[in-house]
Amino acid sequence: GNSVTQMEGPVTLSEEAFLTINCTYTATGYPSLFWYVQYPGEGLQLLLKATKADDKGSNKGFEATYRKETTSFHLEKGSVQVSDSAVYFCALILNSGYSTLTFGKGTMLLVSP
Amino acid sequence: EAQVTQNPRYLITVTGKKLTVTCSQNMNHEYMSWYRQDPGLGLRQIYYSMNVEVTDKGDVPEGYKVSRKEKRNFPLILESPSPNQTSLYFCASSGFWAGEDTQYFGPGTRLTVL
Repeated sequence: GNSVTQMEGPVTLSEEAFLTINCTYTATGYPSLFWYVQYPGEGLQLLLKATKADDKGSNKGFEATYRKETTSFHLEKGSVQVSDSAVYFCALILNSGYSTLTFGKGTMLLVSP
Repeated sequence: EAQVTQNPRYLITVTGKKLTVTCSQNMNHEYMSWYRQDPGLGLRQIYYSMNVEVTDKGDVPEGYKVSRKEKRNFPLILESPSPNQTSLYFCASSGFWAGEDTQYFGPGTRLTVL
């Protein structure tokens, strides 16, 4: 089956630090990959996505590159802000025919001033 | 504004008292889904629907029912709630085809079953 594995949190950083949240996946077919973010008290919202190998998704200073050879989609940001404190979910969906979204368990990020 | 709405946002109830959580989307999406979010378990899919009158079980369907009589609405029904259904619930919708598969989430419903 399909699965997504994320690093466990919480990840605690100081403002302006570099962020990496690891995400690896297994898929029975060819997936699109997503990062969703959940701010405190809110629902999930799409942060970025990539639909094929070597694609780079980017948004709000966050980036992730679809690495087929390592089955990874690590999230990075060069300089985090307190407002980035949230839970981040990596997810996949297969491209071949319709399938449901498979989520990782989420990684909490806490950024202190 | 494109959105998914859920009601109620917060609900406290007692064991065995039937309840319905409504979900509505205004994006004409074919696909709708319900998830529950629990600490340490992430999001788990309860039920999903690929179109009107088409529903299917997700990973944790026990104790839940759904219906899809209209494209925009996808209510979640707990006919006899139990304390282990205390959770944060999210409804989501998306288009059907690849390229339209970004899921849009509602704000969540926090349910407590006493």
